[in-house]
Amino acid sequence: DAGVTQSPTHLIKTRGQQVTLRCSPKSGHDTVSWYQQALGQGPQFIFQYYEEEERQRGNFPDRFSGHQFPNYSSELNVNALLLGDSALYLCASSLALWADTQYFGPGTRLTVL
Amino acid sequence: AQKVTQAQTEISVVEKEDVTLDCVYETRDTTYYLFWYKQPPSGELVFLIRRNSFDEQNEISGRYSWNFQKSTSSFNFTITASQVVDSAVYFCALRGSNDYKLSFGAGTTVTVRA
Repeated sequence: DAGVTQSPTHLIKTRGQQVTLRCSPKSGHDTVSWYQQALGQGPQFIFQYYEEEERQRGNFPDRFSGHQFPNYSSELNVNALLLGDSALYLCASSLALWADTQYFGPGTRLTVL
Repeated sequence: AQKVTQAQTEISVVEKEDVTLDCVYETRDTTYYLFWYKQPPSGELVFLIRRNSFDEQNEISGRYSWNFQKSTSSFNFTITASQVVDSAVYFCALRGSNDYKLSFGAGTTVTVRA
């Protein structure tokens, strides 16, 4: 039973560039959430997708956008990268929008120079 | 708004000692869910336990146990007979019934020395 997978593992970008991160949910899960974890801090919620729609959004600017595909996989896009966007980006999946438990992937480490 | 506070930044113990991690939460929801996750150096958040607000029964699962006290808004987590492999950052998290997101504390770094 495959868990949550994310790609790429690491990414280095320069300020002003755009980046796309990818996530495949755990088998049988249809809801995907994205979190940003800065060094030494707890994860912060970015947004959640269910039935290909953004269902809830955290306190992040419009530079952060996402998409969910019919196979439930998801992408996180960040435009006009800032140094402060350097972080570990975690994807989590759950059985349904209202499901209690979210299961996390290994994350993508983004470094913005 | 949900808020989770983990007052302990770092805990260092010798192998086989017990470790208790403190978590205090704030929420206006009458129904909510509390979690503990473990984050080893690899970075992946590993789900450990979940407790619903309407069930205050405390349980033990292997070397893990938890103490949920609704009256003091606390959800403490204990590792019994710690092992070196328990070294990680531990996060307490909260989800309200009308909320889909998890709100995390700042985490507690646990170091178990051989």
